[in-house]
Amino acid sequence: SQTIHQWPATLVQPVGSPLSLECTVEGTSNPNLYWYRQAAGRGLQLLFYSVGIGQISSEVPQNLSASRPQDRQFILSSKKLLLSDSGFYLCAWRLQGWNEQFFGPGTRLTVL
Amino acid sequence: KQEVTQIPAALSVPEGENLVLNCSFTDSAIYNLQWFRQDPGKGLTSLLLIQSSQREQTSGRLNASLDKSSGRSTLYIAASQPGDSATYLCAVDSNSGYALNFGKGTSLLVTP
Repeated sequence: SQTIHQWPATLVQPVGSPLSLECTVEGTSNPNLYWYRQAAGRGLQLLFYSVGIGQISSEVPQNLSASRPQDRQFILSSKKLLLSDSGFYLCAWRLQGWNEQFFGPGTRLTVL
Repeated sequence: KQEVTQIPAALSVPEGENLVLNCSFTDSAIYNLQWFRQDPGKGLTSLLLIQSSQREQTSGRLNASLDKSSGRSTLYIAASQPGDSATYLCAVDSNSGYALNFGKGTSLLVTP
């Protein structure tokens, strides 16, 4: 069976510090991978998606970036965090050609 | 751009009641619609996925319907239990393989 992992589970960072959130998927190959952010009162917003290694599409202009160095690894990064980057970050995967999307446990990021 | 709306935003019912959660979307050209459950501070759990060619899907006490032409879906929960308390999210896939467009969710509280 497939599982999706995210770490860390929670993170408190000062403004201006760098960020690296990691997501890995097990039990499948060549998945589509997604990063979403859930902010209070705003619903889930797609940040990035990837259909393959090194292929990243950005949905929202921001100071965040994403990378996919391996087939089942998706990383969300920032060089300098802003207060507005606080939120709940969710990674998701979907098999190419299939419809159902599955989510990880999330990372709660607080920027102070 | 696809807009997804969920009504009501919050709902409180006594245990044992049957209830309906509503989801509407502005663009009827969808591939599928997915209902998720989110417990506080947790990731999303997929409940049901309805393909655009389907009218409904059932899983246990849950039944989801889809009326694509009118841009509506409902999630019916039979014989509600306190363990059903969570936020329920509706998501529409308008561009298969890429982003899900999410509603802001219905926060459900089932009281003993």
